[in-house]
Amino acid sequence: EVLLVESGGGLVKPGGSLRLSCAASGFTFSSYSMNWVRQAPGKGLEWVSSIVSSSTYIYYADSVKGRFTISRDNAKNSLYLQMNSLRAEDTAVYYCARSPLLWFGPMDVWGQGTTVTVSS
Amino acid sequence: QSALTQPASVSGSPGQTITISCTGTSSDVGGYNYVSWYQQHPGTAPRLIISPFTNRPSGVSNRFSGSKSGNTASLTISGLQAEDDADYYCSSYTSSSALVFGGGTKLTVL
Repeated sequence: EVLLVESGGGLVKPGGSLRLSCAASGFTFSSYSMNWVRQAPGKGLEWVSSIVSSSTYIYYADSVKGRFTISRDNAKNSLYLQMNSLRAEDTAVYYCARSPLLWFGPMDVWGQGTTVTVSS
Repeated sequence: QSALTQPASVSGSPGQTITISCTGTSSDVGGYNYVSWYQQHPGTAPRLIISPFTNRPSGVSNRFSGSKSGNTASLTISGLQAEDDADYYCSSYTSSSALVFGGGTKLTVL
């Protein structure tokens, strides 16, 4: 079964840091581009970041550029999102999702999400 | 990276056909054939229903179809069923080497 499982969410104070993880199983992780997408409470989806299979190319939304870092470890079938200088507006459910073709192509498998709450 | 424009809500009765629009610019929807559509039920992760490469992924009903004209993409759902009651999002590649989602449309099956 193809599966993505996020972890690492929690409550953090403004200005703090958090590292999210996404464990992949059931497919050849190293062959896929991966993405982080978030959804604030009661709001729509927002693309956060993408990384190609080899980690050669990485892309970020303007809203997180300079604060968030996406990375992956193909040997461990894992995707990460290091989040620094967190703000209240970063509060959201964070999903990891895979893109089977181009990095900006459709996301065909999604995890269940992990919740990040930024509050004092 | 402004969100693509979708109607906040649409509704229809079982058996009817509805269309959800997704309007962008020549820098995203109009400039590339990379529009995808996602369905999301409350409390669950989004699900890909329309792909620009394969149209409908395996397992997605042929009642769902996508199209594009100029800067506007559309999702059409025919033969509405109760289980179609959900939120729908479009997404597109942009000339800024980014991805952008629409604001989302809540479909209510009456």
